[in-house]
Amino acid sequence: KQEVTQIPAALSVPEGENLVLNCSFTDSAIYNLQWFRQDPGKGLTSLLLIQSSQREQTSGRLNASLDKSSGRSTLYIAASQPGDSATYLCAVRILETSGSRLTFGEGTQLTVNP
Amino acid sequence: DTGVSQNPRHKITKRGQNVTFRCDPISEHNRLYWYRQTLGQGPEFLTYFQNEAQLEKSRLLSDRFSAERPKGSFSTLEIQRTEQGDSAMYLCASSSDRLFGNTIYFGEGSWLTVV
Repeated sequence: KQEVTQIPAALSVPEGENLVLNCSFTDSAIYNLQWFRQDPGKGLTSLLLIQSSQREQTSGRLNASLDKSSGRSTLYIAASQPGDSATYLCAVRILETSGSRLTFGEGTQLTVNP
Repeated sequence: DTGVSQNPRHKITKRGQNVTFRCDPISEHNRLYWYRQTLGQGPEFLTYFQNEAQLEKSRLLSDRFSAERPKGSFSTLEIQRTEQGDSAMYLCASSSDRLFGNTIYFGEGSWLTVV
């Protein structure tokens, strides 16, 4: 059974700091990995998707890396801003013949202080 | 592209009542998913449709839960005889297997409170 763990559970940083969020998964046979952002009481916003054959993806101040063999992914946020405050969720899609469900971690709650 | 739309956004119901949530996926997406999320947890998979066919159901989906996707467009999730443990946010998502990467897009969710 695939399990996804995110560390740390919560993180508080001053504005402008660069930071790294970590995600690990137990079964390396994944199809892809997706990072999401969730604001309180809201749905999920897709940030980055990394295919299993890729090593990293970048979008603006965000960079996500994937090391499938070690079962790890990181989300790097450069020059953090108060507007980045949210919960960040990592999810993996495993290789299955029929389904394509995502298995989520419990998230990292990020607070960026002005 | 109007995104994934869910209704109602909030529902308060008495224990034992039935509730139904509706999801309208992104128009060209053939895959539709339902997830459930409780406070402080990541979303948990409930069920998945490809077009109108329900291809996978989680063990979380007890016999009180039923999901449909007639004609492969919108979907409904019905919970019968609600229990307090059903209180959660119900998230709908969609994707297309015809688009590279198959990114999954989520709606804003439907909050259910059972009192």
